[in-house]
Amino acid sequence: DTGVSQDPRHKITKRGQNVTFRCDPISEHNRLYWYRQTLGQGPEFLTYFQNEAQLEKSRLLSDRFSAERPKGSFSTLEIQRTEQGDSAMYLCASSLARSTEAFFGQGTRLTVV
Amino acid sequence: DQQVKQNSPSLSVQEGRISILNCDYTNSMFDYFLWYKKYPAEGPTFLISISSIKDKNEDGRFTVFLNKSAKHLSLHIVPSQPGDSAVYFCAAPRGSQGNLIFGKGTKLSVKP
Repeated sequence: DTGVSQDPRHKITKRGQNVTFRCDPISEHNRLYWYRQTLGQGPEFLTYFQNEAQLEKSRLLSDRFSAERPKGSFSTLEIQRTEQGDSAMYLCASSLARSTEAFFGQGTRLTVV
Repeated sequence: DQQVKQNSPSLSVQEGRISILNCDYTNSMFDYFLWYKKYPAEGPTFLISISSIKDKNEDGRFTVFLNKSAKHLSLHIVPSQPGDSAVYFCAAPRGSQGNLIFGKGTKLSVKP
């Protein structure tokens, strides 16, 4: 399978704990995006990377959130001191730099209890 | 500010009939639009797109129409099949960065 891969698929954590998600993009794609989707909403942009450089962060990305893409390959999204409001589906997508068509992974569903 | 709007949360059609999903946008700078389809517990998958220099793009059973003066686009599925039952999102890329602005989605149910 050469699509976008996300791990884990599901995560249940207690409020206040830290969680980290991983995304492996399609290998030749140099752009990588993180989105968050809550019930009844479309995906909302969080941040994106071109190669290893993080070029934009949404206002939705509070100080508790950090994303990295070392070496321009896989990416991690960490949420520190999780809150119940962080419960959502976290989606990763990748694309070629000059393409507007992004390919999404299956997402990581986070539940904060 | 919802720049991409899908005002119908749900749509139910009979198998074999046409499904029409609508999308409105407010930003006249958008020059490209995409439709994604999402099944439960899966990520969105790209379906079809249209550039603002066109008013129609067709791919098999799927056709997207763009009316720039009305800032409106629609996705037509004909004939509809039960496997088309999913949530459909309209999206537009913001600037050159490529990050997408999505509507809230329309849940399509195609009944056998």
